[in-house]
Amino acid sequence: DIVMTQSPDSLAVSLGERATINCKSSQSVLYSSNNKNSLAWYQQKSGQPPKLLIYSASTRESGVPDRFSGSGSGTDFTLTVSSLQAEDVAVYYCQQYYDTPLTFGGGTKVEI
Amino acid sequence: QVQLQQSGPGLVKPSQTLSLTCAISGDSVSRSSDAWNWIRQSPSRGLEWLGRTYYRSRWYNDYAPSVRSRITINADTSKNQFSLQLNSVTPEDTAVYYCAGGSALNCWGQGTLVTVSS
Repeated sequence: DIVMTQSPDSLAVSLGERATINCKSSQSVLYSSNNKNSLAWYQQKSGQPPKLLIYSASTRESGVPDRFSGSGSGTDFTLTVSSLQAEDVAVYYCQQYYDTPLTFGGGTKVEI
Repeated sequence: QVQLQQSGPGLVKPSQTLSLTCAISGDSVSRSSDAWNWIRQSPSRGLEWLGRTYYRSRWYNDYAPSVRSRITINADTSKNQFSLQLNSVTPEDTAVYYCAGGSALNCWGQGTLVTVSS
């Protein structure tokens, strides 16, 4: 199985400041055939299912604010919230879909 | 817009079978570009992918090794839905169960808390 390791476990950020979350995979999730990383980021608010924010490591899902951005390739990835808003308080997860079983990181809790 | 609606019991007795259904609207369960997944979430195990079904000229299934001996995921094209069966459940199977579409999981059901208890 591909193990996904997120850091930090939790993060407190002031309103309007930047939040950065890291995700490392135990093996590369880059498909050489199309040069795309099979890496997604999700936001989960209390009592709700996860919501897809980013796929292919850096492509924003439709309707996701542009303050959310993803970067990285191979085994190291980052989710950045450029200017944290109150509604961004949530737990964030990375997930690889390069191979089955699909696997998730342990989550990063973002607070104000 | 794709919507997924889950149904099924919230309480299952130990050793019995957990059964959940996910009805799809706005898409087809047999569309060849999609996969239909079951995922569960618990404090002890986090988000855990259980398996998926998808259609590529015929039906395929992939299952997580942790549940492979106990799980069945089926699609019902006549009702445009897919289902989860997990056999021989124990209290460790207590979790919120979600259905979700895609590989990057771009649509999710509302979640069902399933408690395994006598």
